[in-house]
Amino acid sequence: GEKVEQHESTLSVREGDSAVINCTYTDTASSYFPWYKQEAGKSLHFVIDIRSNVDRKQSQRLIVLLDKKAKRFSLHITATQPEDSAIYFCAASRYYQGGRALIFGTGTTVSVSP
Amino acid sequence: EAAVTQSPRNKVAVTGGKVTLSCNQTNNHNNMYWYRQDTGHGLRLIHYSYGAGSTEKGDIPDGYKASRPSQENFSLILELATPSQTSVYFCASGDAVHQDTQYFGPGTRLLVL
Repeated sequence: GEKVEQHESTLSVREGDSAVINCTYTDTASSYFPWYKQEAGKSLHFVIDIRSNVDRKQSQRLIVLLDKKAKRFSLHITATQPEDSAIYFCAASRYYQGGRALIFGTGTTVSVSP
Repeated sequence: EAAVTQSPRNKVAVTGGKVTLSCNQTNNHNNMYWYRQDTGHGLRLIHYSYGAGSTEKGDIPDGYKASRPSQENFSLILELATPSQTSVYFCASGDAVHQDTQYFGPGTRLLVL
């Protein structure tokens, strides 16, 4: 069935460096790709998304790239800060009976050290 | 921002017992979802609903039922709980127009002994 694979399970970076998380998807009908952040012991909250009509989107220090041919998308966290330490989940839209929902990757634990 | 609440926040159940997890959202969203989160699996969709009275099976529905009695409430029911259902359960909601954006509740930690 449809899958979203998140390639890095953990990522350690120094404060100020960039962190890059890569995901691939299998469903060619997927057109929406959000990213969620989960801080320790907390719930998920939305951070940024990209739709298939563009290949790049930036929101402050976050950049999302989408390569539809390769069915790959990535999250770039630039100038990392300690508060960026969290688990990040990528997701892709998929069609279910009656509508659309999300299928998630397995998460990347990002640790930012001073 | 959307407000999604879950109860209970923590639950210990015995094998074979019945467990009901409740979710409430106050933003009049049509769509609601139940996920479980397990290490190595990320979030997996159990059941979802596109409106009051409707429930649909997600990717891992076996052993779970769902109920959507109203726009605001969406319950997940484990009729005969098993230790393999020990997990963290998240409810989420989204509106029908921007149905891709989901807002998550705080989660329920369930331990089945």
